[in-house]
Amino acid sequence: GAVVSQHPSWVICKSGTSVKIECRSLDFQATTMFWYRQFPKQSLMLMATSNEGSKATYEQGVEKDKFLINHASLTLSTLTVTSAHPEDSSFYICSARGGGRGIYNEQFFGPGTRLTVL
Amino acid sequence: QKEVEQNSGPLSVPEGAIASLNCTYSDRGSQSFFWYRQYSGKSPELIMFIYSNGDKEDGRFTAQLNKASQYVSLLIRDSQPSDSATYLCAVKSNYQLIWGAGTKLIIKP
Repeated sequence: GAVVSQHPSWVICKSGTSVKIECRSLDFQATTMFWYRQFPKQSLMLMATSNEGSKATYEQGVEKDKFLINHASLTLSTLTVTSAHPEDSSFYICSARGGGRGIYNEQFFGPGTRLTVL
Repeated sequence: QKEVEQNSGPLSVPEGAIASLNCTYSDRGSQSFFWYRQYSGKSPELIMFIYSNGDKEDGRFTAQLNKASQYVSLLIRDSQPSDSATYLCAVKSNYQLIWGAGTKLIIKP
């Protein structure tokens, strides 16, 4: 149980284009999804937290107009990197947390999406 | 500022020995503590969680929590080369996970 998928697993795009990354909880309903970014040899950095049906809460320093997050259902959240630039190249990882008690109330990670902006 | 501290390593341990990873946290009100393993180029994988003081064992892994001293540790017995990874400590504080920077563990054959 507690499987989270991400799509695509890697993407290469030209500078100025927008990229959408999908995060799905496959066998549980995710009341909350988290988006992280990780640069090489650095730790995870939380970008934003989203609850189903409401606006995402962004961490300080993360531009909400550049990183658009939609959590329209209990099993799907999307992150759109708008007008991507080379400095946005990173490993983007989502995690999902179910409600209630027990293990599903903890965070389970998707496999990540490696974005390279040329 | 709530913080979780880990030694970045690398921690080098001979195959078959016990690897000991440590983590300290600043928020005394934290209730849940997690260890994630992250292989290079992959996303983190939850391997242990602990809520109560004391030890919790799962196979070769033992998590130890001491709330009075505000530290949590992970012991890996009979270390294998496949255990080589970065181990991330995470502490739940006010429904948010606060992450340590991770300790890189290298198991030498």
